[in-house]
Amino acid sequence: KQEVTQIPAALSVPEGENLVLNCSFTDSAIYNLQWFRQDPGKGLTSLLLIQSSQREQTSGRLNASLDKSSGRSTLYIAASQPGDSATYLCAVTPKAAGNKLTFGGGTRVLVKP
Amino acid sequence: DTAVSQTPKYLVTQMGNDKSIKCEQNLGHDTMYWYKQDSKKFLKIMFSYNNKELIINETVPNRFSPKSPDKAHLNLHINSLELGDSAVYFCASSQVLRLAGQETQYFGPGTRLLVL
Repeated sequence: KQEVTQIPAALSVPEGENLVLNCSFTDSAIYNLQWFRQDPGKGLTSLLLIQSSQREQTSGRLNASLDKSSGRSTLYIAASQPGDSATYLCAVTPKAAGNKLTFGGGTRVLVKP
Repeated sequence: DTAVSQTPKYLVTQMGNDKSIKCEQNLGHDTMYWYKQDSKKFLKIMFSYNNKELIINETVPNRFSPKSPDKAHLNLHINSLELGDSAVYFCASSQVLRLAGQETQYFGPGTRLLVL
């Protein structure tokens, strides 16, 4: 059974510092891995999708890497801003489960001005 | 223009009541989902419909019954509500592509259900 873990559960950094969020998964047979952002009281917004054949994806200040063999992904957010404060969730689509996303518990990020 | 919308946004009700949550997507997607986010913030899939057909049904109590009148709508009806049903329920949609692994799911804003 696929399990997704995110460490740390919470992170607080001063503005301008780079953020590093970790995600690990137990079964490497996945179609893709996605990073989402969730703001309090809001839905999820997809940030990056990395297909299983890819090593990384970049969008603006965000960069996500994927090491499928070791079951790890890292989301880097460069030069953090207070507006980056949110909960970041990673999710994998296991090959054995069709299009069913399996989520980690999230990392709650606070960027202090 | 809201891509995936849910109603109501908040729902407070008594134990034993029956309630429904509605979801609509205007993205032209063929697949819709219901997720439950518990108090510990873990998101877990409940159901998935593709072209109005049920394709994923996680071990959810049969008090929960999804209904998809058409591709753009997936409603969730809950009978005999229990305290443990209190959670945030998210609807999502995606377009299944020929090459698996490329779909992004788009989420609604969530419905916060509180059972007293």
